[in-house]
Amino acid sequence: DAGVTQSPTHLIKTRGQQVTLRCSPKSGHDTVSWYQQALGQGPQFIFQYYEEEERQRGNFPDRFSGHQFPNYSSELNVNALLLGDSALYLCASTPPGLAGKETQYFGPGTRLLVL
Amino acid sequence: GESVGLHLPTLSVQEGDNSIINCAYSNSASDYFIWYKQESGKGPQFIIDIRSNMDKRQGQRVTVLLNKTVKHLSLQIAATQPGDSAVYFCAESTPTDTGNQFYFGTGTSLTVIP
Repeated sequence: DAGVTQSPTHLIKTRGQQVTLRCSPKSGHDTVSWYQQALGQGPQFIFQYYEEEERQRGNFPDRFSGHQFPNYSSELNVNALLLGDSALYLCASTPPGLAGKETQYFGPGTRLLVL
Repeated sequence: GESVGLHLPTLSVQEGDNSIINCAYSNSASDYFIWYKQESGKGPQFIIDIRSNMDKRQGQRVTVLLNKTVKHLSLQIAATQPGDSAVYFCAESTPTDTGNQFYFGTGTSLTVIP
């Protein structure tokens, strides 16, 4: 049983560019959450997708957007990249149940560097 | 936003000793808590969780204690091993208008001395 997978593992972009990160949830999981983890910090919640819709959103600008597909996989898009967007982007999936009431499992993350 | 803080940013213990990592949370409405372990270059790994209707839960070599009166959470690791060296995060699940949301602390770095 594969866990949460993310691609790519590493990415280098320049300011102003756009990036798309991908996530496949753990088998049987239907909810996907995205987090940004700056160096030396804890993960910060970006948003959560369920039934192909954004269900919750953290304190991130509209430059951050996402999508969930019928197979529950998800994408995170960031437009107009800033240097401060450099971070580890983590995807977490949750089994069916009430959001935030079930354990969420993390993928290995995508390391984004913006130059 | 929520604030989940850890009392000590770093902790060093001798191999074989017990480790205790503490976490303070700020929202008394938080009703579910998870401890994660994160090794360098990897995503957080689930260790143990506890719901607010409990004050103690045990796993293999790990115990989580929840004190709702003082909004404090701790992770105890028995017979700490070199493989336990990592950053440990506590996360609290807090009800919002659109459902529960997880908030993470800044982490405690545990170093096990052989």
